[in-house]
Order: sequence, then structure tokens, then C-alpha cells
Amino acid sequence: RKEVEQDPGPFNVPEGATVAFNCTYSNSASQSFFWYRQDCRKEPKLLMSVYSSGNEDGRFTAQLNRASQYISLLIRDSKLSDSATYLCVVNTNTNAGKSTFGDGTTLTVKP
Amino acid sequence: ETGVTQTPRHLVMGMTNKKSLKCEQHLGHNAMYWYKQSAKKPLELMFVYNFKEQTENNSVPSRFSPECPNSSHLFLHLHTLQPEDSALYLCASSQGGQGGDEQFFGPGTRLTVL
Repeated sequence: RKEVEQDPGPFNVPEGATVAFNCTYSNSASQSFFWYRQDCRKEPKLLMSVYSSGNEDGRFTAQLNRASQYISLLIRDSKLSDSATYLCVVNTNTNAGKSTFGDGTTLTVKP
Repeated sequence: ETGVTQTPRHLVMGMTNKKSLKCEQHLGHNAMYWYKQSAKKPLELMFVYNFKEQTENNSVPSRFSPECPNSSHLFLHLHTLQPEDSALYLCASSQGGQGGDEQFFGPGTRLTVL
């Protein structure tokens, strides 16, 4: 079993749709969680951190469920520019170097 | 502007060449990373340096040799590579030390091995 597993996708949605991605992690000692976005042939960029209380940034909402060991990303009112691969990242250790990236979920928003 | 720069951005080399990739971060971070991303594949962690000490070597072949002279610079020395080593090589940095902190990526070097 992979340490971090994401919805395989791809997700193809119309503009304005709401889409949700889930990510599960296997290590209950995981400390911190992030969502990154990676555009085609570009580097990953931090989208948002995921806090225990959940957090929202505009159209994006991230949630953490420690009991079930999963995090989620909700995108409301999808835009064409949201088309990208979304990477779930889990830090299992307090030391640098223990970030585990998921394989990513590809989202295509269509007109 | 990510604060992490990589050179060169593109590199084509033969299997007998020796080349080096350079990464520099201007964020005052203490941890630096090398990742490999092959076409349509997930990120693969290669090496991690924390306060200039290598803390992770993810079973990377010896034809890849990292060097971290200080907390701001990271190199990846390449020699006798194989065509399957063609990929996007990404450098990242983070605060390092204690703490599960986010990583900031450079734009990557797109490497083609002929």
C-alpha cells in the first residue's frame, strides 16, 4: 500500500462545477499536510496547507480527518485556470526530508 | 518568483558526458532537495540535505552525485547517464530542521540523455 494515495482521476468538469479530491495516508504519526498544484511541464507550487480545523482560501477548502487519515480539497465554481494536477503531500516526521507526495489527480475544467 | 533558481533550464547530453545541475535558494532555508519527475509520472525524491548534511538518499544510482557546499546551493553531478534518466529534475528548499514545513520548488532542469 502506498503511503499517500490520491483519487486516480482524471476529473473532467464543466466551468462552475464543484469538485472534490480525497487523499488518504497510512502513517498515523503524520504531522503536517499540504496541497500543491502542478501545471503541465511546470514545477509544483504550494496551493494551501491543511490545518486540523480545516481552512478556506477563496474557492478552495481543505479539510483534515485524522481519525480516518484523509485530507480533502474542495474547489467551488471551477475556472478554466484551475486545470492542473493536484498533489497531496504528507509530512510524517518533524525532520526535513520526510515529505511524501501523492501521485496527483489531474483536473480538466472545460468551457 | 519562487526564490529557488535552477540552471540550466534545459540540458541535452550524451551518455559519456559529465554535467552538473545547479540549484540556488534565496529564502534563507536550511533544507534542500532533489526530485526526479519522468514524463507523466509522480515525483521521486532523490536526495535531501538538512543543514548541509545529507539525510536522505533514496536508492539513487551512483551516476547521480549530489553536493551541498552550503545551505543556499545544491548541485547534482551527472556522469554516464542512461536514456531513461531523461526527466525533469526539480530542486526544492524548505525551512528545515524541526518542523513539517512546506517546500518551495525551482523551475526545474529538463534533461535529455541521448
